[in-house]
Amino acid sequence: AQSVAQPEDQVNVAEGNPLTVKCTYSVSGNPYLFWYVQYPNRGLQFLLKYITGDNLVKGSYGFEAEFNKSQTSFHLKKPSALVSDSALYFCAVRDAYSGNTPLVFGKGTRLSVIA
Amino acid sequence: EPEVTQTPSHQVTQMGQEVILRCVPISNHLYFYWYRQILGQKVEFLVSFYNNEISEKSEIFDDQFSVERPDGSNFTLKIRSTKLEDSAMYFCASSGDWDNEQFFGPGTRLTVL
Repeated sequence: AQSVAQPEDQVNVAEGNPLTVKCTYSVSGNPYLFWYVQYPNRGLQFLLKYITGDNLVKGSYGFEAEFNKSQTSFHLKKPSALVSDSALYFCAVRDAYSGNTPLVFGKGTRLSVIA
Repeated sequence: EPEVTQTPSHQVTQMGQEVILRCVPISNHLYFYWYRQILGQKVEFLVSFYNNEISEKSEIFDDQFSVERPDGSNFTLKIRSTKLEDSAMYFCASSGDWDNEQFFGPGTRLTVL
């Protein structure tokens, strides 16, 4: 069964500093990995995905994530944080070869960027 | 930019009542999903739907739940007899293909009293 771990409930970072939101996963086969962001009273917005190819994936709003197969990780990063990046971030995984299987989400990490 | 829409944004109901949550997926998408998020908890999968039938469902999706695509645009989730523990935010999602990213609607907050 697939699972996702986001070890940090909360990440605080100063505006302009780099940020990292951690995610590790477990799947039986190869993973499809996703990051979503949720602003207050809003739905989940897609940020980026890893399907295959380059381990470094670039997404919306200057975010990127690095797929590391040996560490089964897919950490979300941004070189310079903005106050507007403050939100709840969810990592999600699905097995690449299991057809129309659902996304399995982590519990989320609340990012707070302080001016 | 096309988006998934959901109605209503907030539904308050009495325990034991039936509710229908409505979603309009992105128009050329073929795969549809319902998820829910109990306050403060993670997003949980309920059901996936493709080619007018359920592809997969979770343990949460018991006999009280059903989904339907009554026409070419709507995708509905019905809860026949709501329980207090059904109170949650319900998200609809759609994707163009099974391995594409899923696009989520803004959610319906269901409150069961």
